[in-house]
Amino acid sequence: GENVEQHPSTLSVQEGDSAVIKCTYSDSASNYFPWYKQELGKGPQLIIDIRSNVGEKKDQRIAVTLNKTAKHFSLHITETQPEDSAVYFCAASYPSYDKVIFGPGTSLSVIP
Amino acid sequence: DTGVSQDPRHKITKRGQNVTFRCDPISEHNRLYWYRQTLGQGPEFLTYFQNEAQLEKSRLLSDRFSAERPKGSFSTLEIQRTEQGDSAMYLCASSLDTSNQPQHFGDGTRLSIL
Repeated sequence: GENVEQHPSTLSVQEGDSAVIKCTYSDSASNYFPWYKQELGKGPQLIIDIRSNVGEKKDQRIAVTLNKTAKHFSLHITETQPEDSAVYFCAASYPSYDKVIFGPGTSLSVIP
Repeated sequence: DTGVSQDPRHKITKRGQNVTFRCDPISEHNRLYWYRQTLGQGPEFLTYFQNEAQLEKSRLLSDRFSAERPKGSFSTLEIQRTEQGDSAMYLCASSLDTSNQPQHFGDGTRLSIL
C-alpha cells in the first residue's frame, strides 16, 4: 500500500554541522519527491523537490539524493543554522492515486 | 500576499457542533487539496479538487465531512456533528493541474473540540 517511512524522528546537531534525513517509499511508480519544512504554527513550506529522472539536486545548503532502485531518498543540510530548526517532511507521489503521501516527519534542532 | 489563505486560523467548538473552514488557493492553481494533520504526524490526504470537480476522497473522510469548490476558486470543508477525534490541524494546499507539480500549503485551521 501507500507508505513513506522517515528516519530519524528527532535529530539534534551543533550549529555548522550537517544534518541528514532519510526516507523510503513503497510504490516503484513514484516519480516525484518533495521535501517540506514546517515551523511551529505554520503550514508546510516546500524547500526542494526532485523528480525520478534526476539522481541529485542541490540548492545552496540543501541537497536531495534519490536512489530509485532502492526506493530511498535523502535530504542533506550543510552548515546548519539555528533557523534551520523545524520539522521536516519527505513525501512521495503515488501516480496510481494522483496524490502525494507524506512521511511522519523529523524534528531537527540546531544547537547554537 | 498571493499564497494560500485559510480562515479561520483557530476554531474552538463543543462536541456535536458543525464547523466550516474556508481555503483560498493561489489564483492560477486549478488543483486544491485538503489534508488533516495531528500532533507529531505528517499531513494526511483527505480530498482534492480539479477546478470544481472533487476527484478523490480518502477513507478518512467519513460521511460527516463534506467539501465543496463551487466555482473552482475557493473551497470549504464542513464537519458535521463534531467529535473529539476531529481535533486536528486542517491544511489546504493548491497546485497547477499538471502532474507532479509542487503543492503550496496555507497555514491551516486548528480545530479544538471541547
